[in-house]
Amino acid sequence: NAGVTQTPKFRVLKTGQSMTLLCAQDMNHEYMYWYRQDPGMGLRLIHYSVGEGTTAKGEVPDGYNVSRLKKQNFLLGLESAAPSQTSVYFCASSYQVLGKNIQYFGAGTRLSVL
Amino acid sequence: GIQVEQSPPDLILQEGANSTLRCNFSDSVNNLQWFHQNPWGQLINLFYIPSGTKQNGRLSATTVATERYSLLYISSSQTTDSGVYFCAVRSRDDKIIFGKGTRLHILP
Repeated sequence: NAGVTQTPKFRVLKTGQSMTLLCAQDMNHEYMYWYRQDPGMGLRLIHYSVGEGTTAKGEVPDGYNVSRLKKQNFLLGLESAAPSQTSVYFCASSYQVLGKNIQYFGAGTRLSVL
Repeated sequence: GIQVEQSPPDLILQEGANSTLRCNFSDSVNNLQWFHQNPWGQLINLFYIPSGTKQNGRLSATTVATERYSLLYISSSQTTDSGVYFCAVRSRDDKIIFGKGTRLHILP
């Protein structure tokens, strides 16, 4: 049971390039989330999804797009990367039963934009 | 939106000491979790605790939802407890808000 898998683990981009980060979960979870973590800032929610085919904006959505075409996958896209998007990106998934919602995290993707 | 504040921001302790980490939140929440981020960056679930008290070995947590705070207790600290501890709450519109964390250093 792999849990939450993020690919790639590391990436270096030049300003203006585009890329997609993939998050895959094998736990049949309804909810999925993308966060970024910057030094001293904790984790900030970029976008999230409460089910297949749905997406919603989090705290810091600008410059990112997401898609949830399949329940097990949540894609994070950067159309035109900027140095301010240098960060560590974490994906999480969760289920909800009787109001209980517990998140499970991937190992993270370290992205540098030059 | 909901504000989540953690204190202290940094804590340095000798191995064997006890510690209390605090998480305050500004509005009623549906959900509260404590996480440990180890020095390799991995985020590990510690507790799901929207209210009440739970214990797991040397760690325990208490949430008083009516007063909008949660506490994480670590007893008999070990060097492997080092890292950053986060609390995270879920708002009514399903957004998850993290505090900025408490960085804990346990000295051998």
